[in-house]
Amino acid sequence: KAGVTQTPRYLIKTRGQQVTLSCSPISGHRSVSWYQQTPGQGLQFLFEYFSETQRNKGNFPGRFSGRQFSNSRSEMNVSTLELGDSALYLCASSSRGGNQPQHFGDGTRLSIL
Amino acid sequence: AQSVTQLGSHVSVSEGALVLLRCNYSSSVPPYLFWYVQYPNQGLQLLLKYTTGATLVKGINGFEAEFKKSETSFHLTKPSAHMSDAAEYFCAVSVIIQGAQKLVFGQGTRLTINP
Repeated sequence: KAGVTQTPRYLIKTRGQQVTLSCSPISGHRSVSWYQQTPGQGLQFLFEYFSETQRNKGNFPGRFSGRQFSNSRSEMNVSTLELGDSALYLCASSSRGGNQPQHFGDGTRLSIL
Repeated sequence: AQSVTQLGSHVSVSEGALVLLRCNYSSSVPPYLFWYVQYPNQGLQLLLKYTTGATLVKGINGFEAEFKKSETSFHLTKPSAHMSDAAEYFCAVSVIIQGAQKLVFGQGTRLTINP
C-alpha cells in the first residue's frame, strides 16, 4: 500500500508570492491533516479535512488555507509569503480521524528568500 | 488544554546501552498517546501508540513505552541501542475537537548513538 505522497519535495519562493502544496493520502484514508515544522516552534497543527470539509483549524493567519477533493487528495495554499513561512510542511492521513494514528508523508520543504 | 513535555532535547547513549526518552503529558480526558520518529529529510514514522487497555505498549524496531497515569508519563525505551536508532523522536497527545483529531507534539528529543 502506497504511503502518503507530498509534492513537491522542495520549493523556493520569494516574499509576497503564493504557493500550493499537494498531498495524496493513503488509499482509503479520508482524513487529511497538515502540520508546519520549524526549528523554533516545532510541530504545529494547521488544519484537518474530512470528506472535503475543514473540521479543525490551528492558530495560523488567514494566508494559510486548504481544501480537500472528492478523492481525498488535499492541497494547502499560502499567500503573500513571509520569511517566517520557511518550514517543512507535513501532511498526514488517517482512516477516519478520531483517535486513529496519523501516517505522515515526507513533507515539502519551503524556503522563502 | 492537552500538552506534552519531552525532558531533554538531546540524549546521547552508547551503542548497546539502554535508551530512555522521557515524555510527560497533560490531559483533562483519558489520553491517546503516540511516539513518532523522524530521520533526516523524512517525515514522521509511527513507532507506537497507546489508546486504552494494556499500559505497556510495544512498537516497531524494538521500542516500547509504558503509560503511567499516576505519573502522567509515557516514556519510550529500548533495551539496546543500535546506530540506526539515531534520529529525532516526538511524543504526541491526540486532541479531538468536533470529531477532528489534531496531534499536539512535544518539542522532540534528538537521540545520538555513540559507537
